[in-house]
Amino acid sequence: NAGVMQNPRHLVRRRGQEARLRCSPMKGHSHVYWYRQLPEEGLKFMVYLQKENIIDESGMPKERFSAEFPKEGPSILRIQQVVRGDSAAYFCASSPRTSNTEAFFGQGTRLTVV
Amino acid sequence: AQSVTQLGSHVSVSEGALVLLRCNYSSSVPPYLFWYVQYPNQGLQLLLKYTSAATLVKGINGFEAEFKKSETSFHLTKPSAHMRDAAEYFCAVSESSGNTPLVFGKGTRLSVIA
Repeated sequence: NAGVMQNPRHLVRRRGQEARLRCSPMKGHSHVYWYRQLPEEGLKFMVYLQKENIIDESGMPKERFSAEFPKEGPSILRIQQVVRGDSAAYFCASSPRTSNTEAFFGQGTRLTVV
Repeated sequence: AQSVTQLGSHVSVSEGALVLLRCNYSSSVPPYLFWYVQYPNQGLQLLLKYTSAATLVKGINGFEAEFKKSETSFHLTKPSAHMRDAAEYFCAVSESSGNTPLVFGKGTRLSVIA
């Protein structure tokens, strides 16, 4: 049973471009959480999704950021018109049901904006 | 609102010495508490978790933590440090209702000196 898969592992974007980060949850998991880790900081919650639904997006910046978890395929975190301040590691976690006590993390996508 | 404070952004111990990483939390409801380890350029791996059962929780790699409600603490310990324990350690809290996102501390970097 493969773990939580995130790709790409590293992503470099120029300012103003779009960044798409993908997260494939563990098999049988239908809940996905996205977190952002800024340098020298802990992880900050961004958004919690179930299949086809956004449950909690209280941690998402109001502009340029969006997330989806379609019925088929991975969860996508999209950042439009990236700026240098978006440079960070983005982690996805998945769980089998409404319980973060069983959440498993992916290895993250490290986004660098140049 | 919940919060986590990890005392000491960097802890250095000698190989074979006791490891003590401090975590204090704030929560208005019974908490779930977690310790994660992050090796360089890797994702987060769950070391152990407290979910209102035994207050002394044993985890992987010889680590354990004790939940002390009166002190609002969940310190992580290991009797004898090994070189491979060098990593970043994060304490996290969530509400025990199950589907709330994790709130992380800023992390403590553990160095182990030969």
